[in-house]
Amino acid sequence: DTEVTQTPKHLVMGMTNKKSLKCEQHMGHRAMYWYKQKAKKPPELMFVYSYEKLSINESVPSRFSPECPNSSLLNLHLHALQPEDSALYLCASSHRTSGGFTGELFFGEGSRLTVL
Amino acid sequence: EDKVVQSPLSLVVHEGDTVTLNCSYEVTNFRSLLWYKQEKKAPTFLFMLTSSGIEKKSGRLSSILDKKELFSILNITATQTGDSAIYLCAVGSGAGSYQLTFGKGTKLSVIP
Repeated sequence: DTEVTQTPKHLVMGMTNKKSLKCEQHMGHRAMYWYKQKAKKPPELMFVYSYEKLSINESVPSRFSPECPNSSLLNLHLHALQPEDSALYLCASSHRTSGGFTGELFFGEGSRLTVL
Repeated sequence: EDKVVQSPLSLVVHEGDTVTLNCSYEVTNFRSLLWYKQEKKAPTFLFMLTSSGIEKKSGRLSSILDKKELFSILNITATQTGDSAIYLCAVGSGAGSYQLTFGKGTKLSVIP
């Protein structure tokens, strides 16, 4: 079982809805990530949080709004999404992201989002 | 822009065969190369490589990195149907924040 927990596992929303994806880890990791994965494509980086501060935003549209309330939690707030935003959203964590760190990312099982 | 290229994109083999998956990369501020296996959900970690020429091995899987030629290979010997999955190569990079850039993956199908 993964030590990165994502909820909900599945989400269906309309284009006018506001919803949130949640991610939690208790491994003491200080870097957390959101990736988006479309069918038959590799994961694409969206955001990186390092020590609870946003350090990378890969030019993601503002209808996606990340939030890192503390070192264990990462949220992705969704508003006014488009059908093409339907994808698997993967959360990941790693020990840290600065100081020459080179290690692995631990992934959650993902939240499968469908936008109608 | 960082680039990670995997080949082949898909592969069908019979149980017992040996396969070699390839990954080449062009990135700035290289830190590490990782292999993941993805079945239906999250990628699961296989190997991390940071030094050239040192083989990492886990059971029937092994991997090696060549930092001069900028590539890595993943070998699977005596393949089993449970090896059927997408194998993702990812390169860790970044002068400040560390991030992974993934290749498109190799879809391996092992038939009985």
